[in-house]
Amino acid sequence: EPEVTQTPSHQVTQMGQEVILRCVPISNHLYFYWYRQILGQKVEFLVSFYNNEISEKSEIFDDQFSVERPDGSNFTLKIRSTKLEDSAMYFCASSGDSYGYTFGSGTRLTVV
Amino acid sequence: QKEVEQNSGPLSVPEGAIASLNCTYSDRGSQSFFWYRQYSGKSPELIMSIYSNGDKEDGRFTAQLNKASQYVSLLIRDSQPSDSATYLCAVKKDSSYKLIFGSGTRLLVRP
Repeated sequence: EPEVTQTPSHQVTQMGQEVILRCVPISNHLYFYWYRQILGQKVEFLVSFYNNEISEKSEIFDDQFSVERPDGSNFTLKIRSTKLEDSAMYFCASSGDSYGYTFGSGTRLTVV
Repeated sequence: QKEVEQNSGPLSVPEGAIASLNCTYSDRGSQSFFWYRQYSGKSPELIMSIYSNGDKEDGRFTAQLNKASQYVSLLIRDSQPSDSATYLCAVKKDSSYKLIFGSGTRLLVRP
């Protein structure tokens, strides 16, 4: 069964550092997403990406965040200057239409 | 008012019983409804989607949708200990790309 692949599985970074989280969506999917889940809290939408541009973003997705699809397969989330409150599980997802998302296994980001 | 509300649980049922999980949502513009299962420390896994009023069955799972009451539920028949997880309800509007998740209901199936 096709999978969404995320790397790394765990990232520890110092406050103020930049991090890039990487995702390889399912190959024939067209819509890509980032969600995050702070420990013990609900899954929250960050951003959706379609046709090489952001289609929707949440209030959480401020100027510290950016997304990119640098080639035909990767989809990245960059956090420019990490804060302690950015510590969370970050999930990439993709879909072939606007329904039925498949989530990746996640990257646990710990900011110290 | 929360956009998607779920009882946090835990809901404890014996093995072989029916587990009933409920979800209410506030936005009447919501058109698509999803149930995800999330094991501790893992990513959400899609169980079922439902778009029309009524019931939708897939194996041991049945999703039920009542748009007039803004209510969606998931029934799990013949519950197994491996079904023990947190069940997330998510809703989506046709005009939006994002899924809005509830906080989840923790299900515990006792052997």
